Amino acid sequence: EPEVTQTPSHQVTQMGQEVILRCVPISNHLYFYWYRQILGQKVEFLVSFYNNEISEKSEIFDDQFSVERPDGSNFTLKIRSTKLEDSAMYFCASIRDGYYGYTFGSGTRLTVV
Amino acid sequence: AQTVTQSQPEMSVQEAETVTLSCTYDTSESDYYLFWYKQPPSRQMILVIRQEAYKQQNATENRFSVNFQKAAKSFSLKISDSQLGDAAMYFCAYRRGSGGSNYKLTFGKGTLLTVNP
Repeated sequence: EPEVTQTPSHQVTQMGQEVILRCVPISNHLYFYWYRQILGQKVEFLVSFYNNEISEKSEIFDDQFSVERPDGSNFTLKIRSTKLEDSAMYFCASIRDGYYGYTFGSGTRLTVV
Repeated sequence: AQTVTQSQPEMSVQEAETVTLSCTYDTSESDYYLFWYKQPPSRQMILVIRQEAYKQQNATENRFSVNFQKAAKSFSLKISDSQLGDAAMYFCAYRRGSGGSNYKLTFGKGTLLTVNP
């Protein structure tokens, strides 16, 4: 069964550093998402991406965040200058269209120290 | 804005028994989907079951079934013959229906299910 692949599985970074989280969605999917889950809390929507542009972003997704689909296969989330509160599990997900369900990646655990 | 409420932060059940996890939601839309996701300690998000709002019949997947009450905006998950492997965090989630350019999920806060041997 097709999978959404996320790398790395765990990343530790210094506060103020830039990080890039990478995702390879399922090839025939059209809609791409990043979600965040702070430890012990609920999963929160960050951003949706369709037709090579952001279709919606949450209040969390401020100027420090950006997304890109540079080559038609990878889908990346960049955090420009990480803060301690960015420590969380980040999930990438994709969906083919509204009739289908999500496929989630296994997540990247980001630890900011 | 849509909201999803899970009023039970924690639940426990004896192995082989049945447990029901509660979820309510609020929306003004008529076309939407509801989901239950399981998150084991590995933190992977695993789809358990989904329900289309236009379907009156409650969804069932093996030992998992839902009680979907559209008028009451209630969507509970019943786990029958509970197994040790069912122990996990369970999230209820809402998504708008097909059409448009965004199908973001809105999650509840989760219910931590413990299964006692």
